[in-house]
Amino acid sequence: NAGVTQTPKFRVLKTGQSMTLLCAQDMNHEYMYWYRQDPGMGLRLIHYSVGEGTTAKGEVPDGYNVSRLKKQNFLLGLESAAPSQTSVYFCASRSLGDEQFFGPGTRLTVL
Amino acid sequence: GENVEQHPSTLSVQEGDSAVIKCTYSDSASNYFPWYKQELGKRPQLIIDIRSNVGEKKDQRIAVTLNKTAKHFSLHITETQPEDSAVYFCAASRNVEKLTFGTGTRLTIIP
Repeated sequence: NAGVTQTPKFRVLKTGQSMTLLCAQDMNHEYMYWYRQDPGMGLRLIHYSVGEGTTAKGEVPDGYNVSRLKKQNFLLGLESAAPSQTSVYFCASRSLGDEQFFGPGTRLTVL
Repeated sequence: GENVEQHPSTLSVQEGDSAVIKCTYSDSASNYFPWYKQELGKRPQLIIDIRSNVGEKKDQRIAVTLNKTAKHFSLHITETQPEDSAVYFCAASRNVEKLTFGTGTRLTIIP
């Protein structure tokens, strides 16, 4: 039981490049979330999903897209990366209960 | 939307002393208040949470208090130990579906 996993762990992009971050969970959770964590700003919600095939905007959605084609996977895409998107990205999931379980994070640097 | 303010941003206490971290929220309809602990380089993990129908909750050395009238809640750690050193985040939610996080408190326990 791996819990929540994220791929990749680290990535360096040049401005304008695109990439996809993958989040996978093996706990059969309904809800999945993408956050970004920046120094002094806590965790900010980018997008989230309440079930397979659904997505919704969070607090800071601009510049990102998501997809939830399979219940266990939640993808975060950056179409044209900008230096302002340099951050640590965390995925989380939860069942119908309260606790969100976080993945290990992806450290992204955009040059 | 919800706004959560967290204070202090840094806190240093002597080992064995108590630590208190405070958060205020803006949405009077918020009814779920979790606290997450994040050790250096690790993922956030839930340590305690409280719902609005309860004024206080304890779990060994950790307690959370909630004042709905004043719209603030606090984390109390007693008999602090070196392993309590971490960043602590409060959060608030209207319906558990989405969390709004505070900006974090870096707690350092001085041996």
